[in-house]
Amino acid sequence: SQELEQSPQSLIVQEGKNLTINCTSSKTLYGLYWYKQKYGEGLIFLMMLQKGGEEKSHEKITAKLDEKKQQSSLHITASQPSHAGIYLCGADIYTNAGKSTFGDGTTLTVKP
Amino acid sequence: DAGVIQSPRHEVTEMGQEVTLRCKPISGHNSLFWYRQTMMRGLELLIYFNNNVPIDDSGMPEDRFSAKMPNASFSTLKIQPSEPRDSAVYFCASSLYRTRQHFGDGTRLSIL
Repeated sequence: SQELEQSPQSLIVQEGKNLTINCTSSKTLYGLYWYKQKYGEGLIFLMMLQKGGEEKSHEKITAKLDEKKQQSSLHITASQPSHAGIYLCGADIYTNAGKSTFGDGTTLTVKP
Repeated sequence: DAGVIQSPRHEVTEMGQEVTLRCKPISGHNSLFWYRQTMMRGLELLIYFNNNVPIDDSGMPEDRFSAKMPNASFSTLKIQPSEPRDSAVYFCASSLYRTRQHFGDGTRLSIL
């Protein structure tokens, strides 16, 4: 998606290391969602962020929303092999009507 | 709770045949989305419905694709005639208006 850019496209880290994935929008964000997927399988919802400055955590994954920068970051602390997969950000960028646009995903590999 | 249910999980058919993908959204959800995912193009929104009414079908690639939602608990995506380039994983998702989407496990479609 050109409206949502994720970086990096792929990431290989050693188990135990921290990592950050970014999602930047070219338009105003009305809502930002993070999902995890194994290719060809369904998307697993991680978190939703709606307000500038909002930060949410689930286990070792933390996501933040910088509304001014139209950007969100997903941070994983002390990565584990179970964190491996494709991380996608989705956002309501045209309206807040629930129609989400998705980024192209970041493929994460965690080496044991 | 039952999630979004898609059928079939896998479909292999010959070029030119009609393909029908089915989706049962989560009970009570009023928005339904059809996506297509490929390695080349990522996750693309094809069409979405609010209260059984198609709101935006701008993502439908060609007239060969059609989608219906005859009632709140069922939707179909039809491809007629199918072509090899239609091979992809097709996802259905549902949501309550303006909340995050719940995804089905997808239908892996292969057109020979």
